[in-house]
Amino acid sequence: QSALTQPASVSGSPGQSITISCTGTSSDISGYNYVSWYQQHPGKVPKLLIYDVNNRPSGVSNRFSGSKSGNTASLTISGLQAEDETDYYCSSYTSSGTWVFGGGTKLTVL
Amino acid sequence: EVQLVESGGGLVQPGRPLRLSCAASGFTFDDHAMHWVRQAPGKGLEWVSAINWNSRDKAYVDSVRGRFTISRDNARKSLYLQVSSLRPEDTALYYCVKGSSGYNHDVMDVWGQGTTVTVSS
Repeated sequence: QSALTQPASVSGSPGQSITISCTGTSSDISGYNYVSWYQQHPGKVPKLLIYDVNNRPSGVSNRFSGSKSGNTASLTISGLQAEDETDYYCSSYTSSGTWVFGGGTKLTVL
Repeated sequence: EVQLVESGGGLVQPGRPLRLSCAASGFTFDDHAMHWVRQAPGKGLEWVSAINWNSRDKAYVDSVRGRFTISRDNARKSLYLQVSSLRPEDTALYYCVKGSSGYNHDVMDVWGQGTTVTVSS
């Protein structure tokens, strides 16, 4: 049950697009389409952004999109805005019947 | 509106037990799996445990298996986490999280505000 691997930090300028990667194994990410992404502002509750690899809950901006290739899932944020500056976490269901999160990525909007 | 309200956290000595509770409202509780996720101070999210809609499927992260027990009371619309043999590394904010369906493999979609557990002598 090792944590998924995310970059500690990424950055981009307003209006640009950035991608956050999330690397796992055949026991989690590549084995299932149960990958989700959460946004967490400081002191706040995590918010679901993407589920089942590439689906957005109602109310989530279409600037957020997800994808998966092999053992790596990705979150892309287009048209970066200042309010996007915060922490992002990926998660995946695993072959053990458990869930695992990534270590989190801090996004800085320059 | 979906609401999840956790309670039961506090300061506890190492080795002592604690029972966390989560009161649910605003949705049909017994149609949904439920999860506990924790976050140590200044750290990332860690999934702890899940229970499916009818309590037949329970899962735990390795670090708590044998020490924590998840349960639910559908009649009371409540989720519980009995935690025992607490260790300092169990210190965290514990979130109650709703599953999108009755099965543990479906996404965790709504989070409570959390209850803080601090393990210290």
